[in-house]
Amino acid sequence: DADVTQTPRNRITKTGKRIMLECSQTKGHDRMYWYRQDPGLGLRLIYYSFDVKDINKGEISDGYSVSRQAQAKFSLSLESAIPNQTALYFCATSDPPGQKVSGELFFGEGSRLTVL
Amino acid sequence: GQQLNQSPQSMFIQEGEDVSMNCTSSSIFNTWLWYKQEPGEGPVLLIALYKAGELTSNGRLTAQFGITRKDSFLNISASIPSDVGIYFCAGGTSGSRLTFGEGTQLTVNP
Repeated sequence: DADVTQTPRNRITKTGKRIMLECSQTKGHDRMYWYRQDPGLGLRLIYYSFDVKDINKGEISDGYSVSRQAQAKFSLSLESAIPNQTALYFCATSDPPGQKVSGELFFGEGSRLTVL
Repeated sequence: GQQLNQSPQSMFIQEGEDVSMNCTSSSIFNTWLWYKQEPGEGPVLLIALYKAGELTSNGRLTAQFGITRKDSFLNISASIPSDVGIYFCAGGTSGSRLTFGEGTQLTVNP
């Protein structure tokens, strides 16, 4: 079983719909992240959380919101989806710096979202 | 914000050839990481570099942390078909998030 699990893996929706992508992890990490991947643009950070009571905006947070329901769960919401939010979304986890491999992110398998 | 320029964007090579890709930045990083993403999967860490000038190998992969701390390269020797994927560099500073390059799409023809 994957250590970082994302659901759904694929979703097609229409403009204006509310969408939630969920992420759960069994790695016991405090830090969780949501990234967006677009061809030629690499991975861009949407939101991140260093513990249950901590939420921080990343590079491209507009149009997105997150919820850290528990140490192991971090969900990403699109309140009103638009076509340019069509992308591959990744959840990731990490230990704090200073641990065995500082900075290493562990990624889920991705959620492909298409907004029509 | 910090930006990384990764090149080349794509490579088409024959099996057995060596591959080289690099990342440069105008900012200084304390950590350089190289990830590989296979189709349908999330990126997976290949090599981590923590010290300027450090040269690290992992099998056929070799990566270096540039002496200026503003660049890094990844070499793959004697490529094989399973090397296919997208390779990402990522730079990190103390206690902060990673900044990713745009990725290099590698295709290996048998």
